[in-house]
Amino acid sequence: DIQMTQSPASLSTSLEEIVTITCQASQDIGNWLSWYQQRPGKSPQLLIYGATSLADGVPSRFSGSRSGTQFSLKISRLQVEDIGIYYCLQAWRTPWTFGGGTKLELK
Amino acid sequence: QVQLKESGPGLVQPSQTLSLTCTVSGFSLTSYSVHWVRQHSGRSLEWMGRVWSDGVTSFNSAFTSRLSITRDTSKSQIFLKLNSLQTEDTGTYYCARSYLSHGLPLFDYWGQGVLVTVPS
Repeated sequence: DIQMTQSPASLSTSLEEIVTITCQASQDIGNWLSWYQQRPGKSPQLLIYGATSLADGVPSRFSGSRSGTQFSLKISRLQVEDIGIYYCLQAWRTPWTFGGGTKLELK
Repeated sequence: QVQLKESGPGLVQPSQTLSLTCTVSGFSLTSYSVHWVRQHSGRSLEWMGRVWSDGVTSFNSAFTSRLSITRDTSKSQIFLKLNSLQTEDTGTYYCARSYLSHGLPLFDYWGQGVLVTVPS
């Protein structure tokens, strides 16, 4: 199975800060990576697909990038509604596998 | 609008079989794949398997021989059965729709999830 190592596991940050979350794939997955946000008590929601493409309706402060097998999600100016847990997902090979999640909290 | 909704028992005894239903609306099961994903303790997400738009299924080998996924297109329903339940099968079970955007897969809609508890 492809392992997705996500870091950090948790992050305490402030509003308007820049936040960067990374996922390292254990092998080449091309751009077959997506990012999801899960607010407390809610289902995951798509943010980024194809490593860099912003999903419809997602604010432009979210962006995704790729460098080889390392993927990053950046939130340019954290807002209160961005608090939650973020996951990456690889869909290159079955079984699809998620990163362990990054929990964003406010200081 | 597109909706998915999971239903099923909240409590299943060890060694018994879990049966869940995902009822969809706003799209056809013959046009999209639907997956099952579970979440332990509000954190780690685990892909369980899927039924393709043509009815073919694929599964996570971690569940080999315990898991089946079927569907009834006339009722817009997908069924999950997981047998020989253990306490570690406790979690929230989601169904989610996937499709390809520019050839790249993504989950665009998720159900609300159903919490299943397997007591010790």
